[in-house]
Amino acid sequence: DAGITQSPRHKVTETGTPVTLRCHQTENHRYMYWYRQDPGHGLRLIHYSYGVKDTDKGEVSDGYSVSRSKTEDFLLTLESATSSQTSVYFCAISRRQGQNTEAFFGQGTRLTVV
Amino acid sequence: DQQVKQNSPSLSVQEGRISILNCDYTNSMFDYFLWYKKYPAEGPTFLISISSIKDKNEDGRFTVFLNKSAKHLSLHIVPSQPGDSAVYFCAASVIGTGANNLFFGTGTRLTVIP
Repeated sequence: DAGITQSPRHKVTETGTPVTLRCHQTENHRYMYWYRQDPGHGLRLIHYSYGVKDTDKGEVSDGYSVSRSKTEDFLLTLESATSSQTSVYFCAISRRQGQNTEAFFGQGTRLTVV
Repeated sequence: DQQVKQNSPSLSVQEGRISILNCDYTNSMFDYFLWYKKYPAEGPTFLISISSIKDKNEDGRFTVFLNKSAKHLSLHIVPSQPGDSAVYFCAASVIGTGANNLFFGTGTRLTVIP
């Protein structure tokens, strides 16, 4: 258990509305990530954070913004949701083991944009 | 362009037999490889990893083989058990670059038939 809680676990929203997903961690990890999982694409990185107020874009960042005002919380916001953002969203933290870094994931948020 | 590929979307195996899941990569800079297992409605969980200085890493029933010249890795599960039924993702990165540079395959759904 990586001490990661995602909320909500499920959400249905309408096209054009803003949506915020929350990731909360209890282990004081510096690095946090948001991924989306889609059939035929595996897991793709949206944004990541390397500290409070320090964030950067991932592979599929268009249409998403993030914020990290506290070490334990990493928020993902869809400013104006579109149907293409229907997906399962996973938050992750990383633990460094020597030079190697594995990502450990939360349970996911299933978002449906109608 | 998918840098990590899992060309078999699904695999069915009898309980007690060997399961072999395959993964190919295109980026010769990758030197650290991971396998994740994912059950429905849960986040991916880290299973086993291997660095490019090795060609085999074993952990109980799970063994990962790396063929650098072929840019190919495989996960062997022996013996397969019904609880192994899940989606398996392979992932690749460059050591020292962090989990924000972790690239995932599209996944293989393993079904172990009792």
